[in-house]
Amino acid sequence: QVQLQESGPGLVKPSQTLSLTCTVSGGSISSGDYYWTWIRQPPGKGLEWIGYIYYSGSTYYNPSLKSRITISIDTSKNQFSLKLSSVTAADTAMYYCASYYYDNSGYRLFDYWGQGTLVTVSS
Amino acid sequence: SYELTQPPSVSVSPGQTARITCSGDALPKQYAYWYQQKPGQAPVLVIYKDSERPSGVPERFSGSSSGTTVTLTISGVQAEDEADYYCQSPDSGVTYWVFGGGTKLTVL
Repeated sequence: QVQLQESGPGLVKPSQTLSLTCTVSGGSISSGDYYWTWIRQPPGKGLEWIGYIYYSGSTYYNPSLKSRITISIDTSKNQFSLKLSSVTAADTAMYYCASYYYDNSGYRLFDYWGQGTLVTVSS
Repeated sequence: SYELTQPPSVSVSPGQTARITCSGDALPKQYAYWYQQKPGQAPVLVIYKDSERPSGVPERFSGSSSGTTVTLTISGVQAEDEADYYCQSPDSGVTYWVFGGGTKLTVL
């Protein structure tokens, strides 16, 4: 079973870049069966899909965040990462990494999630 | 941008049936996924591909689809089902995914 663990600074200053890494264990990030995903949730609010990346490097981003997001993958470390630039207090949230599993027909089935990491944007 | 609409809250008594709806223009073409989230925990998938149930999810959870609306049904609601529920689905071109605003299920 795939396990995911987020890591990165818990506090980021306004206008700086938020950087998080998700380490994958129990499976290979180079597997073509998964899309590696970032999701966030501001305190007391709903879930927001940020984007995902395929092992080939193909990325898909939330249009509302696209200008500030970069998701990358490091197959040698079995990790994928999120960078969010020009952060403001509105970017304060619990950030989750997840993996979406797809079957051979191209349909998304189940998923695995990390426990999440809280990032606060404050000076 | 694409949106999914859920009712903010649903309340039911134990043993009754709870129905949570999610509406979106692309739902006739795209599958929906449902998550349960309890306080302080990561979301857990309870329904995928509109009506499929992951291993380990109780049979009282079911999903259905009709036109632009998908519905999560919890039959014989138990106190432990009190949680926030989110639907998720991609836009018509599957270029990005969207969550509904979430529905707080209260078990009276």
